[in-house]
Amino acid sequence: AQKITQTQPGMFVQEKEAVTLDCTYDTSDPSYGLFWYKQPSSGEMIFLIYQGSYDQQNATEGRYSLNFQKARKSANLVISASQLGDSAMYFCAMRALNTGGFKTIFGAGTRLFVKA
Amino acid sequence: GAVVSQHPSWVICKSGTSVKIECRSLDFQATTMFWYRQFPKQSLMLMATSNEGSKATYEQGVEKDKFLINHASLTLSTLTVTSAHPEDSSFYICSAATSGSKSSSDTQYFGPGTRLTVL
Repeated sequence: AQKITQTQPGMFVQEKEAVTLDCTYDTSDPSYGLFWYKQPSSGEMIFLIYQGSYDQQNATEGRYSLNFQKARKSANLVISASQLGDSAMYFCAMRALNTGGFKTIFGAGTRLFVKA
Repeated sequence: GAVVSQHPSWVICKSGTSVKIECRSLDFQATTMFWYRQFPKQSLMLMATSNEGSKATYEQGVEKDKFLINHASLTLSTLTVTSAHPEDSSFYICSAATSGSKSSSDTQYFGPGTRLTVL
């Protein structure tokens, strides 16, 4: 069975500081992809960053980086230099290629509040 | 990036009526589309996977006779909530994957969602 766990229901961060959002996953499939999405109050899901299970380096996209620790099965999202517009729900997601079909499963989400 | 639209963005209907939600991939062909529902302050729960030209695959616990999915073309999938009841009130989100590739890295592009309220 595949599972995504986000243990932080809510997080606060001061503007311009960095914040780490935790994500752990469980799968027996050696081929999988990990994603982070942002969902602002408007509801749309915005793709942020992707990490493949065979990628040797941690993914980075602008202010977003993914701290991928394969042995620990964790894929934490780091947002540097937080901005007020970063306040939103953040979902960690996984797609297991061989055992999960083409389905993406989502964690429970973490609500981030950026303080001015 | 690729654009996925949903229509309508919100709908209010009376209990017992049926509601159709459209999901379109605007600038790419989507062999596979997914339908999710999201209750307030909760995560996205996959309802079904829709492949063009074939029957949808429903997740366990999702009533296929209540949530009718049609994927008639590579750019359009529809979800019809039949005989809607207040407990069907939710945020419904579709997503589309670019056609052909089946790699783990394929990004899903999400529609903006449809908020359904059943009175």
